[in-house]
Amino acid sequence: DAGVIQSPRHEVTEMGQEVTLRCKPISGHDYLFWYRQTMMRGLELLIYFNNNVPIDDSGMPEDRFSAKMPNASFSTLKIQPSEPRDSAVYFCASSTGRTYNSPLHFGNGTRLTVT
Amino acid sequence: AQSVTQPDIHITVSEGASLELRCNYSYGATPYLFWYVQSPGQGLQLLLKYFSGDTLVQGIKGFEAEFKRSQSSFNLRKPSVHWSDAAEYFCAVNGGATNKLIFGTGTLLAVQP
Repeated sequence: DAGVIQSPRHEVTEMGQEVTLRCKPISGHDYLFWYRQTMMRGLELLIYFNNNVPIDDSGMPEDRFSAKMPNASFSTLKIQPSEPRDSAVYFCASSTGRTYNSPLHFGNGTRLTVT
Repeated sequence: AQSVTQPDIHITVSEGASLELRCNYSYGATPYLFWYVQSPGQGLQLLLKYFSGDTLVQGIKGFEAEFKRSQSSFNLRKPSVHWSDAAEYFCAVNGGATNKLIFGTGTLLAVQP
């Protein structure tokens, strides 16, 4: 299995631009999670999906952030407009079940820099 | 609310020495506990997990962790550290009611030759 695949690995953009991060979960995994990692706040859960349906988006920082999962093999996290404080590493993870009885499989992350 | 504390931000050990990374959790009932490792530029990889039963759990790469309810701790140990173990280690907890895995702030491990 190729694991969770995220693209791009690095993204540099200017403030105000739209940014789209992409994720392909492991085939057969029906849970997908988006996390953000920063030095100041550590790893934060932004949103998670079950069977392509958003279940909990309470971690999404504000309306500038949106996430979609149009099918079982693809998800996007969009920031519009982007701001310098959005600079972070964004991870996608997938699992076969609820977190407490199955481990998360993480992608290698997208390092976003907003100037 | 559940939370995780990793009191050591940075630890340096010599290769071949033993290692213990501390983790304390806050949760009213028995939590589900995890240790993950993150190598530079990589995502997190699961080392081991505790759900119930034997309080000493074995993981990959020769790591083990012990759940101590009386101390609300889940410390990670390895008897002999290898240079390839240099990475950042995260403890995480889930109370079971939600899918919100709460991570600690991480401990960065450096290994001296």
